[in-house]
Amino acid sequence: GEDVEQSLFLSVREGDSSVINCTYTDSSSTYLYWYKQEPGAGLQLLTYIFSNMDMKQDQRLTVLLNKKDKHLSLRIADTQTGDSAIYFCAERRGAGGFKTIFGAGTRLFVKA
Amino acid sequence: DAGVTQSPTHLIKTRGQHVTLRCSPISGHKSVSWYQQVLGQGPQFIFQYYEKEERGRGNFPDRFSARQFPNYSSELNVNALLLGDSALYLCASSMDPQGASGAFFGQGTRLTVV
Repeated sequence: GEDVEQSLFLSVREGDSSVINCTYTDSSSTYLYWYKQEPGAGLQLLTYIFSNMDMKQDQRLTVLLNKKDKHLSLRIADTQTGDSAIYFCAERRGAGGFKTIFGAGTRLFVKA
Repeated sequence: DAGVTQSPTHLIKTRGQHVTLRCSPISGHKSVSWYQQVLGQGPQFIFQYYEKEERGRGNFPDRFSARQFPNYSSELNVNALLLGDSALYLCASSMDPQGASGAFFGQGTRLTVV
């Protein structure tokens, strides 16, 4: 993706926590998102955070935003085999016309 | 309610031809965006339309164009197809142009250019 960076792979054991990290470059981005893509499927919105928030929790998902460092993370508690998928970080830019920029995705492997 | 629907699901075209891809947003959603996803990469933003007007454009050549109709459905057109245009084309809809609550994606159209 254009200037949104993620690590490519993450492997965890079932029941452990997963932390997927992302860095973005546009400080004017208003919303940041996490999407999930399973094989052969479209993208599913998992959660989002507004740029004036530091943290958002939604059941097993916790999003942390460090706006100073332009760093976003997604923590999945009690990771299950069904969480195996590709996770995309995305930022919503408003300057010069709306566009959503995605990272290349982090492939999460969950070992039973 | 139906989600975002795209047609066709798969398409094979020859270099130099043109293609039209179609998208119907979720009922009540007025914003439609188009993305290109090449295998192994994240989606690349192509266009966003809201209320029939273009609100955002990505770094794609003029061979790519789109429009939105009064019923908020949308078409993506690609002219003079190149082999490199082979990809999964995703459509996403949202209620507002700012994308405050994220977007809902269709299953995509897989385009193969031979």
